[in-house]
Order: sequence, then C-alpha cells, then structure tokens
Amino acid sequence: EAQVTQNPRYLITVTGKKLTVTCSQNMNHEYMSWYRQDPGLGLRQIYYSMNVEVTDKGDVPEGYKVSRKEKRNFPLILESPSPNQTSLYFCASSFTGRAGAQETQYFGPGTRLLVL
Amino acid sequence: DAKTTQPNSMESNEEEPVHLPCNHSTISGTDYIHWYRQLPSQGPEYVIHGLTSNVNNRMASLAIAEDRKSSTLILHRATLRDAAVYYCILRALHPTGSARQLTFGSGTQLTVLP
Repeated sequence: EAQVTQNPRYLITVTGKKLTVTCSQNMNHEYMSWYRQDPGLGLRQIYYSMNVEVTDKGDVPEGYKVSRKEKRNFPLILESPSPNQTSLYFCASSFTGRAGAQETQYFGPGTRLLVL
Repeated sequence: DAKTTQPNSMESNEEEPVHLPCNHSTISGTDYIHWYRQLPSQGPEYVIHGLTSNVNNRMASLAIAEDRKSSTLILHRATLRDAAVYYCILRALHPTGSARQLTFGSGTQLTVLP
C-alpha cells in the first residue's frame, strides 16, 4: 500500500531535549516536505527536499533541522525543543516529474508533539 | 499568490449532495485548482483537481466556472465519513522550490448530519 508513515504519532518531551520525528514514504517520490499545523494558523511549511541531499527552508524553519540521506526518508530534528514548537506535524511527499500544477501530495498521519 | 475564499462551515444531510464553493477571483490563466480534505485526526488527502473543464473521479466532481473565478466541489451523496475540512488550493503551472508547497487557507468545515 502506498503510504507516508511518521513516528512517533504522539510525543511529550521537555524543553531542550533533542528529538527526531521520522518520515518515510514507499512511493519513490523525489519531493518531501514537513508542515506544522496550529489552530488559527493553518498548515505552514517548515522544510522541504527536492531530492536526496537537496533540502531548503520553508516558511517557518527556525528551530528545526532536516536531512535527506535516502530517497524514502526525511527526518525532522528538533535540536533544542521549546514550548512554542508544540504542534501537530505532517510529512508529505510527491513526484516532481510531472507539471507541478498536477502533482498530488500524499500526507502522513501526523505527529502530535507537546513540549513542556 | 492568488488567494481562495471559502465559507467557514457548511452542513449537509447524509446521502444528499453537497456543493462546496470556492472563490478565486485573482486566479491566473495557468493556475490549477486543487481540492484537499482533512478528516478528523488525519493528514490532508487529495480529492480532485482541474484547470478549465469539469472533472469527475471516484470521490467527487469539480465544477469550474467559465471565467474560472470560482469553482465548486460536489460530493454526490454525502456520508458521515465525508465530515472533514475541505481546502481549495491554487497551484501554479510549474512551481519551483518553496512554491511547491501547498498553501492551505482556513477551508470549509463540512458537518454531515445523520
């Protein structure tokens, strides 16, 4: 089954304790992306990757890191989490070969993070 | 970027058709119209997209106005499982870099009544 998986689904942590949220897709997609969703602010892009070893900042990258060492995986790293990073996080992926306007993005189930 | 305007919420009775409107008066000639939905406690999922002609798939139909300044997502027989937030999103023809992201507005919360 074609899917995007994220782990963990729920995480409670404390300020400053490094954490990693994993994202994996089995569709051989080149493009992968991280969003965060907050009430009243909608979904905002954190980082994206056009392919292996190619990553770039989205709209809200502060406090986050990413890496793309393999095509299928795109982990999100919070080196020193703070309470303002409490949010719902979604990973997404898509092909890039077709005209961009016609690409559909596939989203993971989400990771709910609480930073105390 | 061209923006979209959707009603905050709509209600429908189960097994009746639902028409979800979206206004996009500043759409450019090459922008595609995409619809995604987000079910409770899930990630967004693709529903349908189109450019000028009306489109049908197994999930829904998309009706696009002749001037392309508005569109309507049609669920032919709403079920309780269709209760979700529906997002109307414009996509440039060849988005590059950060423009590949989907720009989600506030969407329309659809409530389906049994």
